[in-house]
Amino acid sequence: EDQVTQSPEALRLQEGESSSLNCSYTVSGLRGLFWYRQDPGKGPEFLFTLYSAGEEKEKERLKATLTKKESFLHITAPKPEDSATYLCAVQAGGGKLIFGQGTELSVKP
Amino acid sequence: GAVVSQHPSWVICKSGTSVKIECRSLDFQATTMFWYRQFPKKSLMLMATSNEGSKATYEQGVEKDKFLINHASLTLSTLTVTSAHPEDSSFYICSAREGAGGGGDIQYFGAGTRLSVL
Repeated sequence: EDQVTQSPEALRLQEGESSSLNCSYTVSGLRGLFWYRQDPGKGPEFLFTLYSAGEEKEKERLKATLTKKESFLHITAPKPEDSATYLCAVQAGGGKLIFGQGTELSVKP
Repeated sequence: GAVVSQHPSWVICKSGTSVKIECRSLDFQATTMFWYRQFPKKSLMLMATSNEGSKATYEQGVEKDKFLINHASLTLSTLTVTSAHPEDSSFYICSAREGAGGGGDIQYFGAGTRLSVL
């Protein structure tokens, strides 16, 4: 069964304190792994797509990496505006996305 | 990135009435759109896949007669919650897939609709 597990559930950081979020997955035939950011009361905002092990993508303070079993979202020197819930999803058959439970990130000034 | 508009953002209705939610892809054509439901502090739960010009495919446990989906054009899908009851209160989010349906196509999400049924 296709499954996505994210850890930790919640993460509190001080401004400037770098860290990583984990996304472990099992899927039959990975077609893409997606990272989204979701602010309270809003829809998810697309961040990255990774397609194959070893691939990396960066955007400002965020860097996403992918292995055959997991993906990491590295946050370098975070700012309070990076506070949000970060969702990981894998694409299954029929184009469906299977989401993890998310990591709620809080960055304090 | 591509823009998906969802309307209304918030709706309150009386029990027994029906509510329609619209999802539009503003700058691309979307053969496929998706409808999700999200409970507080929970992740997104796929309700149905909407394909332009054909019947929607519902996930197991989702009542197709309660949640009517219409995808009449390449830029518009609608979700109608029929005879809404308090247990239908939730955050509903749509997404539109950009691309021809191959692997890795990105789904862009609307801002969501908060439904409160009194």
